[in-house]
Amino acid sequence: GDSVTQMEGPVTLSEEAFLTINCTYTATGYPSLFWYVQYPGEGLQLLLKATKADDKGSNKGFEATYRKETTSFHLEKGSVQVSDSAVYFCALSETVQGAQKLVFGQGTRLTINP
Amino acid sequence: DAMVIQNPRYQVTQFGKPVTLSCSQTLNHNVMYWYQQKSSQAPKLLFHYYDKDFNNEADTPDNFQSRRPNTSFCFLDIRSPGLGDAAMYLCATSRDWAGGSETQYFGPGTRLLVL
Repeated sequence: GDSVTQMEGPVTLSEEAFLTINCTYTATGYPSLFWYVQYPGEGLQLLLKATKADDKGSNKGFEATYRKETTSFHLEKGSVQVSDSAVYFCALSETVQGAQKLVFGQGTRLTINP
Repeated sequence: DAMVIQNPRYQVTQFGKPVTLSCSQTLNHNVMYWYQQKSSQAPKLLFHYYDKDFNNEADTPDNFQSRRPNTSFCFLDIRSPGLGDAAMYLCATSRDWAGGSETQYFGPGTRLLVL
């Protein structure tokens, strides 16, 4: 079945550092790709998504580009803030009986120190 | 604001005592999902409803059931909770399938503790 592999955490950075969280996927077709963020004690929120090859998703300074040739969707941010501390999940979608099923990576815990 | 609401946020139950978790949505979405998220793990899909059609994941234990009496509400019933069922339970919704690109909207989750 389809799967997602994420860079293992935890990741600790200083404020204003450059962030990269690696994500690669295995899929039989051409799934949509997502990054979700989970702040402490909360549910998941969509951060960004891309629906086809070479699409770039962006939001709140975060970016990720759908790379079909390397089956990757790495998350980047040029200058992180303390408020970016959270767990980040890469996910792909597959179709299950008329609805969308998300397959998540294992998550990467990010801590930003002031 | 339109949202996905889960109640309660924290639920304590006893080993073997049935428990029900609830989810409601004001988004009028056709699809509702239940995920189980254990500590430091990714969410795992238990089942979903496409309108009234129930779809169970192959590896979801029979101990877990669900009901969707109307578009807005969905319930997760755990018939005989075991210690291994302690987890965060996340409800999510999405509109109709659109080639897999639809965003899923998650509630804040219910953390279940089994004593």
